[in-house]
Amino acid sequence: EPEVTQTPSHQVTQMGQEVILRCVPISNHLYFYWYRQILGQKVEFLVSFYNNEISEKSEIFDDQFSVERPDGSNFTLKIRSTKLEDSAMYFCASSPRLAGKETQYFGPGTRLLVL
Amino acid sequence: QKEVEQDPGPLSVPEGAIVSLNCTYSNSAFQYFMWYRQYSRKGPELLMYTYSSGNKEDGRFTAQVDKSSKYISLFIRDSQPSDSATYLCAMSSTSGTYKYIFGTGTRLKVLA
Repeated sequence: EPEVTQTPSHQVTQMGQEVILRCVPISNHLYFYWYRQILGQKVEFLVSFYNNEISEKSEIFDDQFSVERPDGSNFTLKIRSTKLEDSAMYFCASSPRLAGKETQYFGPGTRLLVL
Repeated sequence: QKEVEQDPGPLSVPEGAIVSLNCTYSNSAFQYFMWYRQYSRKGPELLMYTYSSGNKEDGRFTAQVDKSSKYISLFIRDSQPSDSATYLCAMSSTSGTYKYIFGTGTRLKVLA
């Protein structure tokens, strides 16, 4: 069964460093998303991406964040200068059609720890 | 008022019990309702997807949506220890938004 994959599974970084989280969405899906979950809190939407551009972003997704689909398979989230409060589980998701009309499938997540 | 509210639990039940998990919401524009299961330190796994009001059944799982009360439920029949996980409700609207709004999750423990 096709699934969303994410690398790395764990990432430890120093405050102020740049990190890139990678995702391979399900191959025939067209919509891609990033969510994050701070330990003990709910899953929160960050950004959605379709047709090589951001469709929607939350207040959390400020200028320190960017997303990119560098090739036909990968989808990345970059945090330019990490802060302590960026420590969280980051989930990539994909859906074949517009969310709501088709469900989103989540990857296993990348656990980011900022020291 | 929070957009989506969910009792965090924990909820402990004996094996074989019927489990009822619930979420309430405030945004009447929500039309799509999902239940995800999340094991510790793993990604959310889709269990059920429902559009608008009504019931949907899949094996031991039944999802109910009552839009008039802004209330959704997930029932698990013949619960198993392997059902022990956190159950997340998620919702989205038809207004062109792409995002899911999640509840905080209910932690369920099924005792053998």
